[in-house]
Amino acid sequence: DVKVTQSSRYLVKRTGEKVFLECVQDMDHENMFWYRQDPGLGLRLIYFSYDVKMKEKGDIPEGYSVSREKKERFSLILESASTNQTSMYLCASSLGRDRAYQPQHFGDGTRLSIL
Amino acid sequence: LAKTTQPISMDSYEGQEVNITCSHNNIATNDYITWYQQFPSQGPRFIIQGYKTKVTNEVASLFIPADRKSSTLSLPRVSLSDTAVYYCLVGDPGYSSASKIIFGSGTRLSIRP
Repeated sequence: DVKVTQSSRYLVKRTGEKVFLECVQDMDHENMFWYRQDPGLGLRLIYFSYDVKMKEKGDIPEGYSVSREKKERFSLILESASTNQTSMYLCASSLGRDRAYQPQHFGDGTRLSIL
Repeated sequence: LAKTTQPISMDSYEGQEVNITCSHNNIATNDYITWYQQFPSQGPRFIIQGYKTKVTNEVASLFIPADRKSSTLSLPRVSLSDTAVYYCLVGDPGYSSASKIIFGSGTRLSIRP
């Protein structure tokens, strides 16, 4: 089974801090994703990476950056945390390169609170 | 981008068959239809994916009419453990547009004894 592991289940940080959320997958997947999930808004894509050092902005990239130095690891960075970034953050991975049958595999999320 | 529309919530009883319909009028030729299930405090979990007609696996069936403008997830004989949020996604899973797959707000399914 594919395993996507997020480094923390719960995290509390202060406004203005630089925050790192880490995600690791163990199935050699090419695609990795970061979403945030808020009540009534579903999942919204923040950033997507289809290869090492490659990234694309999703729907809501403002206030976030990402890093993918190794294929298995995808980091989400909140440059200067703000209270409106309090949310559930979900990481996912999937096969890439024109694979027709490639569902996304999700971690269990990090619930981040910015005080 | 193919936008999807699903009911916000549905209720049913144990042992019943539940059908959740998703509308996707702007579906493109290359788009697949994928359904996910999410329990509280967990990430979404893949249930089933299809392109046309009918797909069945050990947990669900997916019915897609010829025009592909809608799809129906069918859960046979539901139990309390099927209480969850169900998401319908439409998109091209090819790498060049993987970021275009959009999760909507989903359907909150509640199963009662």
